Amino acid sequence: DQQVKQNSPSLSVQEGRISILNCDYTNSMFDYFLWYKKYPAEGPTFLISISSIKDKNEDGRFTVFLNKSAKHLSLHIVPSQPGDSAVYFCAARGGGSQGNLIFGKGTKLSVKP
Amino acid sequence: EAQVTQNPRYLITVTGKKLTVTCSQNMNHEYMSWYRQDPGLGLRQIYYSMNVEVTDKGDVPEGYKVSRKEKRNFPLILESPSPNQTSLYFCASSFEGRGRQYFGPGTRLTVT
Repeated sequence: DQQVKQNSPSLSVQEGRISILNCDYTNSMFDYFLWYKKYPAEGPTFLISISSIKDKNEDGRFTVFLNKSAKHLSLHIVPSQPGDSAVYFCAARGGGSQGNLIFGKGTKLSVKP
Repeated sequence: EAQVTQNPRYLITVTGKKLTVTCSQNMNHEYMSWYRQDPGLGLRQIYYSMNVEVTDKGDVPEGYKVSRKEKRNFPLILESPSPNQTSLYFCASSFEGRGRQYFGPGTRLTVT
């Protein structure tokens, strides 16, 4: 049973417009959420995170929103740039000390010039 | 430069031939982990280690072993590889179990 779901395998956006990537989760014990970006032939790199006690976190062009009642988070990229084209993974961390991350399947974002 | 390194980057082997994929980090991180990435399945955790001599199973540990004898190294061992272990493997580390993880560049393994 998937605990972290990214239901859109791919997304195509025009340069300069907003990209919205969505992620749903089922486990209400998750206390921390992260977004990673992955280019081909490279490892995932951390992008932005949010604690479950917040509903928004912003870092430059990237904003993550968390709706705990809906168990939903989204990543907004404004404005989108061709260099943002990559696979984006949503990850959630369970409570406790282990810190295990559970990843979604990823969404491939293509930003067209 | 702070980094996680993995070796080899690419490996083709045959069923049953034992292999080890090395992982090393230079950030003095306590937490290290191994993931595999498969098409349509995302990243799944194989094993993790909270500190030296402390390891535990992740979501897909079958067919794998790990060891953590030193803080910087966390090798992944496949005692008898099988074709279903053909995958892209990533090692990751973080300061502590609850921190953001830094990933290595990946090891693409093919078992024939």
